[in-house]
Amino acid sequence: GIQVEQSPPDLILQEGANSTLRCNFSDSVNNLQWFHQNPWGQLINLFYIPSGTKQNGRLSATTVATERYSLLYISSSQTTDSGVYFCAVPSNRDDKIIFGKGTRLHILP
Amino acid sequence: DGGITQSPKYLFRKEGQNVTLSCEQNLNHDAMYWYRQDPGQGLRLIYYSQIVNDFQKGDIAEGYSVSREKKESFPLTVTSAQKNPTAFYLCASSIDGTLNEKLFFGSGTQLSVL
Repeated sequence: GIQVEQSPPDLILQEGANSTLRCNFSDSVNNLQWFHQNPWGQLINLFYIPSGTKQNGRLSATTVATERYSLLYISSSQTTDSGVYFCAVPSNRDDKIIFGKGTRLHILP
Repeated sequence: DGGITQSPKYLFRKEGQNVTLSCEQNLNHDAMYWYRQDPGQGLRLIYYSQIVNDFQKGDIAEGYSVSREKKESFPLTVTSAQKNPTAFYLCASSIDGTLNEKLFFGSGTQLSVL
């Protein structure tokens, strides 16, 4: 089945820094989603981005479907950006959504 | 406000006991999902339902059961057969089960064993 790999696994940054998180997937997909899990466990859907680029405030995402990767950009990081970022794609075998293992982001004040 | 409500937020299970986690949504979504998350790990699919009165096993269904008698509700029972139930449980929903719609999550239930 499709494999989803996220990098880096952990990232520690000072407040105000920019960051890029990567999601690679092993097969063609119809869509890709990015999620942020805050320290209390709540998962928020950040982007639904099959291809191209979308922006939402300080966050933007780009998916290059032909090259099987997506990038999540966070600019001017704030401590509230801390948490785990997951990407997820539909399985190519069954009715499931496959999640990567996540990137844990720590923003230091 | 529309959303997904999970309850309780924290739950404790005694040895040999079955416990039920509640998940209710008022988004009028057809598809609902249960995921398990262990510390520092990703999400693993337990069960999913694409329509009322129908559900399918996910990757780690052993020791769990579900029902989907109403569109809004998808309760998960952790049975005594689940020997390692301590985890964070997340319920999710999407408009349909085509996998081409956004996935939305509840706030989760932390289950621990006494």
